[in-house]
Amino acid sequence: SAVISQKPSRDICQRGTSLTIQCQVDSQVTMMFWYRQQPGQSLTLIATANQGSEATYESGFVIDKFPISRPNLTFSTLTVSNMSPEDSSIYLCSAVGGGNEQFFGPGTRLTVL
Amino acid sequence: QKEVEQDPGPLSVPEGAIVSLNCTYSNSAFQYFMWYRQYSRKGPELLMYTYSSGNKEDGRFTAQVDKSSKYISLFIRDSQPSDSATYLCAITTNTGNQFYFGTGTSLTVIP
Repeated sequence: SAVISQKPSRDICQRGTSLTIQCQVDSQVTMMFWYRQQPGQSLTLIATANQGSEATYESGFVIDKFPISRPNLTFSTLTVSNMSPEDSSIYLCSAVGGGNEQFFGPGTRLTVL
Repeated sequence: QKEVEQDPGPLSVPEGAIVSLNCTYSNSAFQYFMWYRQYSRKGPELLMYTYSSGNKEDGRFTAQVDKSSKYISLFIRDSQPSDSATYLCAITTNTGNQFYFGTGTSLTVIP
């Protein structure tokens, strides 16, 4: 299994600012993803974080709003840029193990005022 | 048609009951099946992971996959109040580069 940590665990931010969320995996993994989850809702995939290349974004998500870095096989960041109250959500990082099982981090609870 | 459909619930059962959670999927290419448990304000926790058809048991939890019917189930025996959470099913193919999640079933176990 993979153990995933995220920082910060929560934050309250002002409209128009940006927040960078860090995700650290305790082992090397090939696939890492970023999700958003609204209260009471299922998971919405934002993008696949590709090591050494640009992230692959899902429909409705763009790089200018959600830039992602993945400098190595254990670490990734997601930035939520120019935030608005609609960006208030839980942001989750995940990684795929060798058997195609997916593990999640504890999440970052973001509130935008 | 969604790739995976999950009974939305919510489900409320008395302590000690047997709980059955279910999902159906549309594409026979899916080979890996997962169940997650998510407590309020926490990230999803991988509960059960199975490959192809058959049953897998872990303590009070049994995951069942019927590929002929494209149906997956999670059974919880002797349910406890600590089992109260949202349960998500997830599926993926051999490449593991795309996952599909159910919408989640909220379970409450009443003491």
